[in-house]
Amino acid sequence: DAGITQSPRHKVTETGTPVTLRCHQTENHRYMYWYRQDPGHGLRLIHYSYGVKDTDKGEVSDGYSVSRSKTEDFLLTLESATSSQTSVYFCAISESTRVYGYTFGSGTRLTVV
Amino acid sequence: AQTVTQSQPEMSVQEAETVTLSCTYDTSENNYYLFWYKQPPSRQMILVIRQEAYKQQNATENRFSVNFQKAAKSFSLKISDSQLGDTAMYFCAFSFNFGNEKLTFGTGTRLTIIP
Repeated sequence: DAGITQSPRHKVTETGTPVTLRCHQTENHRYMYWYRQDPGHGLRLIHYSYGVKDTDKGEVSDGYSVSRSKTEDFLLTLESATSSQTSVYFCAISESTRVYGYTFGSGTRLTVV
Repeated sequence: AQTVTQSQPEMSVQEAETVTLSCTYDTSENNYYLFWYKQPPSRQMILVIRQEAYKQQNATENRFSVNFQKAAKSFSLKISDSQLGDTAMYFCAFSFNFGNEKLTFGTGTRLTIIP
């Protein structure tokens, strides 16, 4: 979607290394989210943000941290990547989830070897 | 916490036929919102349709419609006159009417339209 971009689109990394995924939006939306998508699990919330420097954990937050220093950027860091973190990661934004749902980024496929 | 269940991991249907995807959810709240998202092979997540729980009328968007049964906590998606471009993963999702602005997703149904 034009208003939200994720980088990188693909990444292969080694076990034990830190990894940072970036989400950038141009919509000035208040809420930003990181999900992971795995077969049989659907999309599960990792962390979310409801404003600059305001973040909270989702259901699968262990091993992940986030930062939001500006409205437009939401970073997801895998502190020490493990093979169980091999997944597709989606960023999403919303201004009013109830009214409009989310707008999603195009996803990052991360492989930890 | 609310849960969303999609009991059909995979479905297939002939082109031009009608198909219904099932979704059930569990919540003690009276007001909430339900969504269907489509994920084609491109991986992009696309909002298909949205339903407000306090509305009796089922939402419709062109060939896509829902059957919302509030008492049964059921929210199925019907695709009429299915097309090859409907081949995708479909996710059902739930949002509260208050507080946090998060979506809870089901595990998805992989739909294949057969030419």
